[in-house]
Amino acid sequence: SQQGEEDPQALSIQEGENATMNCSYKTSINNLQWYRQNSGRGLVHLILIRSNEREKHSGRLRVTLDTSKKSSSLLITASRAADTASYFCATDGGSNYKLTFGKGTLLTVNP
Amino acid sequence: ETGVTQTPRHLVMGMTNKKSLKCEQHLGHNAMYWYKQSAKKPLELMFVYNFKEQTENNSVPSRFSPECPNSSHLFLHLHTLQPEDSALYLCASSQDTGGGYNEQFFGPGTRLTVL
Repeated sequence: SQQGEEDPQALSIQEGENATMNCSYKTSINNLQWYRQNSGRGLVHLILIRSNEREKHSGRLRVTLDTSKKSSSLLITASRAADTASYFCATDGGSNYKLTFGKGTLLTVNP
Repeated sequence: ETGVTQTPRHLVMGMTNKKSLKCEQHLGHNAMYWYKQSAKKPLELMFVYNFKEQTENNSVPSRFSPECPNSSHLFLHLHTLQPEDSALYLCASSQDTGGGYNEQFFGPGTRLTVL
């Protein structure tokens, strides 16, 4: 399976702290994407990193990709209570559109 | 708002009912997707349409029947569902399915409960 696996399954931190979530996958990819989902809502695209990129930033988000280890990490700096959500990585397995999602990391940021 | 709307937001139906889920995107995209999200399971891709043509059916039971009359609208027709079909059904769209590196824009989902 080319399914991404997020780690940890759940993470609880205090506001202002940094949150790091990891994703591992099994097959080669063209790109890896991170999405956020607030409880019972749709997913929101956060960032896309291509297989030839190693690091990407967007605001308080920093994503790294290590294709040799088939892993990625998402760092959220200076977390806020509004960052409380589930975070998913999605890999394309070379298809560009057929995304495979992991089970997600539930992040809770306590005020 | 992501530019993708879904109706209804909540649906309760019996196993003998027939209902339809509707998705509409206002982004000018050409590809649309149906996903199923069940508790404690990864998001599952069900169907993909690109320029109104179905390009993916991920071994979905025939009690789920998709329809894509144009690039902006996508329906999921439901009939004789089972309780295990209860889930959040998410619609998404992207520019298209080729050319690479397409982010997908998701609707808020329809929470379906089958009694």
